[in-house]
Amino acid sequence: DQQVKQNSPSLSVQEGRISILNCDYTNSMFDYFLWYKKYPAEGPTFLISISSIKDKNEDGRFTVFLNKSAKHLSLHIVPSQPGDSAVYFCAASVEGNEKLTFGTGTRLTIIP
Amino acid sequence: EAGVAQSPRYKIIEKRQSVAFWCNPISGHATLYWYQQILGQGPKLLIQFQNNGVVDDSQLPKDRFSAERLKGVDSTLKIQPAKLEDSAVYLCASSINPGHLSNEQFFGPGTRLTVL
Repeated sequence: DQQVKQNSPSLSVQEGRISILNCDYTNSMFDYFLWYKKYPAEGPTFLISISSIKDKNEDGRFTVFLNKSAKHLSLHIVPSQPGDSAVYFCAASVEGNEKLTFGTGTRLTIIP
Repeated sequence: EAGVAQSPRYKIIEKRQSVAFWCNPISGHATLYWYQQILGQGPKLLIQFQNNGVVDDSQLPKDRFSAERLKGVDSTLKIQPAKLEDSAVYLCASSINPGHLSNEQFFGPGTRLTVL
C-alpha cells in the first residue's frame, strides 16, 4: 500500500526554467510534508517542509504548495540550476510523530 | 558539525551469510532511524530508537534482522542470514528531539549491500 506516490520517475528541464515535481498521498492523517534531495552515493538531505495549516512555503528558489482537498503537493524550483539535478523524495508524517513515509522519488535532470 | 557516519559504505556477501552495519548519529540527537532503500523505491523505515529504547520496529523482519543502540549513541543493524531480496541501501538517520516540529531527519551516506 503506497501511501505517498510520485508518479513521475524522471523529469528533464532546461536550465533557467521552472521545475515542478508532484506528489500525491492517500492517508488523510498526514499533516506534515517534507521534500528531500538525494545525490548519488549520498544520503537524502532535507530541502523544505510544509505543515497542513499552510498551503504554501517558500525558501529561496524552492516553493512547496499543498492542496489538502486533493491530497496533493508540489515542489517548484525557479530558476532551475544544473546543481539541482538529483533525485527528489516527497515524505509525509503526522506532526509530532517522527515516522516518515517516503514516495518513490523523481529523478530531475537540468539540461544546460 | 559532523554528520551521520556509517560503515562500511559497500558490502557484498553471499546469501545465507551474516552482515552488520554501523551508524554513529549526530552528537546530541536522541532519535535514530534505520531505513532500507531498495532500488527504484523510497526509503522504508525498519526501526526507530529514542535514546536506547525502541519506538517502532513494526517493519523490521525480526526473523533475520536485529538492531541495537547501546548507551543511546551508536547503533548496529544485523542481518542473519541474508537473502537475495535484502540487496538494498541501508540508511541511518538521526533527529534532534522527539516531537520536534520540523521532523527533520539527517541521513548518513548509507551502506550499499549486495547479496549474491
